[in-house]
Amino acid sequence: GAGVSQSPSNKVTEKGKDVELRCDPISGHTALYWYRQRLGQGLEFLIYFQGNSAPDKSGLPSDRFSAERTGESVSTLTIQRTQQEDSAVYLCASSSPFFPAGAADTQYFGPGTRLTVL
Amino acid sequence: AQSVSQHNHHVILSEAASLELGCNYSYGGTVNLFWYVQYPGQHLQLLLKYFSGDPLVKGIKGFEAEFIKSKFSFNLRKPSVQWSDTAEYFCAVITLANYGGATNKLIFGTGTLLAVQP
Repeated sequence: GAGVSQSPSNKVTEKGKDVELRCDPISGHTALYWYRQRLGQGLEFLIYFQGNSAPDKSGLPSDRFSAERTGESVSTLTIQRTQQEDSAVYLCASSSPFFPAGAADTQYFGPGTRLTVL
Repeated sequence: AQSVSQHNHHVILSEAASLELGCNYSYGGTVNLFWYVQYPGQHLQLLLKYFSGDPLVKGIKGFEAEFIKSKFSFNLRKPSVQWSDTAEYFCAVITLANYGGATNKLIFGTGTLLAVQP
């Protein structure tokens, strides 16, 4: 597609339930990122994929959070046993493998999934 | 830890007023710097970016930003704002210690909400 897409756009769940959030990056983008934005805060990095591997998982807040990427395309972020503090907008971004030396490529963001945990 | 500070959380201007949004980062090494914008109901879009060279960077819609290395700053400016500039603006940095195989994670500021009154 033309841009990064995410689904669902909104998710309301009950505390303790598991949720899966999906990201479809721009075709050909090998790098994929997950961020989240809690109310009144900036975006926090969660995890970075290069291809199907995740060299940086340092932002995942707990072991209830996991992510995978298959076929160098779609990625799924899973939150198990959701808590109210998980309520946030979860954003996915992707970037191209081709960029000038010494420069980090532009990350293109999707519309996000708004997660509400009751 | 590396961080980005945006000191103006909420700015209200009249049309045709000049705009300057502050952004400071904490990292002593080489950085790539970005300003993203989120218009109401839309997803994050890149406004401009700095990799190297001329520290004065011009972006879309008449915006520009100046990288001042000695001040660790990357302030965003526009000489005359329009009502359509109403949006939330995010400054972000990639530290090049993280670049090149390890991670390209963006470190974001908390954002500045700009409201332009007609």
